[in-house]
Amino acid sequence: AQKVTQAQTEISVVEKEDVTLDCVYETRDTTYYLFWYKQPPSGELVFLIRRNSFDEQNEISGRYSWNFQKSTSSFNFTITASQVVDSAVYFCALARSNYKLTFGKGTLLTVNP
Amino acid sequence: SQTIHQWPATLVQPVGSPLSLECTVEGTSNPNLYWYRQAAGRGLQLLFYSVGIGQISSEVPQNLSASRPQDRQFILSSKKLLLSDSGFYLCAWTRGPSQPQHFGDGTRLSIL
Repeated sequence: AQKVTQAQTEISVVEKEDVTLDCVYETRDTTYYLFWYKQPPSGELVFLIRRNSFDEQNEISGRYSWNFQKSTSSFNFTITASQVVDSAVYFCALARSNYKLTFGKGTLLTVNP
Repeated sequence: SQTIHQWPATLVQPVGSPLSLECTVEGTSNPNLYWYRQAAGRGLQLLFYSVGIGQISSEVPQNLSASRPQDRQFILSSKKLLLSDSGFYLCAWTRGPSQPQHFGDGTRLSIL
């Protein structure tokens, strides 16, 4: 069975600080897909990024960056120069070929002005 | 472009009343469809998913049911609501396991 662990339940930072959200996953599959979602206070889940198990390239998108390391089964998410608008719950998720998505429990990020 | 609509946005129902939440997807065909529930505490629980019309897989035994009467329509129902059915219900769609799931805006259900 697959599992996604987000050990950080809550993180609080001051604006402009960098923050890293950790995600560790477990799966026996060789082909799988990893995702990050953002859930702002309004409630909708917003897709941020997808990675497949064969692509270990890190990715940067503006202030967001993702570090995928198969050796440690981790897919961490870093926000550089955080802003108040980044305050949200962030979910890491894992998909196999069976169409089901396994979510971590989420990390509540609060960015204070 | 594809869009997903979910309604109602909020619902307050008495215990023992029936429930019907509807979700529709536009701009794509034969999507995989999902119902999730998010209780207080943030975790997302997969309730049902469907890979085609009339094909429903249940993940959690409960008093809820799902139906897919049309290709892009997914309905979550209950004959008699329980207090424990309160929560935030999210519908989602995807083209396949390698693709991200896209979520509706959710329904906040309160049971009194």
